[in-house]
Amino acid sequence: DIQMTQSPSTLSASVGDRVTITCRASQSISTWLAWYQQKPGKAPKLLIYQASSLQSGVPSRFSGSGSGTEFTLTISSLQPDDFASYYCQEYTTQPYTFGQGTKLDI
Amino acid sequence: QVQLVQSGAEVTKPGASVKVSCKASGYTFTDYFIHWVRQAPGQGLEWMGRINPNSGGTDYAQKFQDRVTMTRDTSIMTAYMELDRLTSDDTAVYYCAREVITPGNVVFDYWGQGTLATVSS
Repeated sequence: DIQMTQSPSTLSASVGDRVTITCRASQSISTWLAWYQQKPGKAPKLLIYQASSLQSGVPSRFSGSGSGTEFTLTISSLQPDDFASYYCQEYTTQPYTFGQGTKLDI
Repeated sequence: QVQLVQSGAEVTKPGASVKVSCKASGYTFTDYFIHWVRQAPGQGLEWMGRINPNSGGTDYAQKFQDRVTMTRDTSIMTAYMELDRLTSDDTAVYYCAREVITPGNVVFDYWGQGTLATVSS
């Protein structure tokens, strides 16, 4: 199975900050990577797919980049609604695996 | 609007089974794969498998291969996930999720609200 490692596990930031979360794959996954946002008690929400494609309806302050084994999710200017957990997911081969998550705190 | 509505919370005993339903609405049920993802308390997300509602064909993660069954009833636009021989490690929120239609992208654009299954003696 492909292992996905996110860093940091926890990130403290303030409204207006620019933040970056990193996801590393244990082997090359080309650009078959997605990012999700999850709030407590809620289902995940798709933000980015194919490493850099913004899902419809997601604010443009979210962006993704990377290929191969290293990927980033950037939030250009944090808004109060962005404080949540974030997960990356690879989808090259089954089983599709997720990173362990990054909790974004105020 | 697209909705996936799951069945309610379950409490089961070790060794028993749990069956979770996922009722779809707002789109053509047979056009999109349904996946099942679980999340243990305070933990990350774990992919369990998927079902093609059109054919009924399934793919399961090897970890669950011998004790998970995914089915569907197209007449009521509902998918099911049954997990057997439960242990306390299976205590989790179970989500169904719809796979996007974009070719090659096995990602999930709509999710159910989650079903908490608690395994306790």
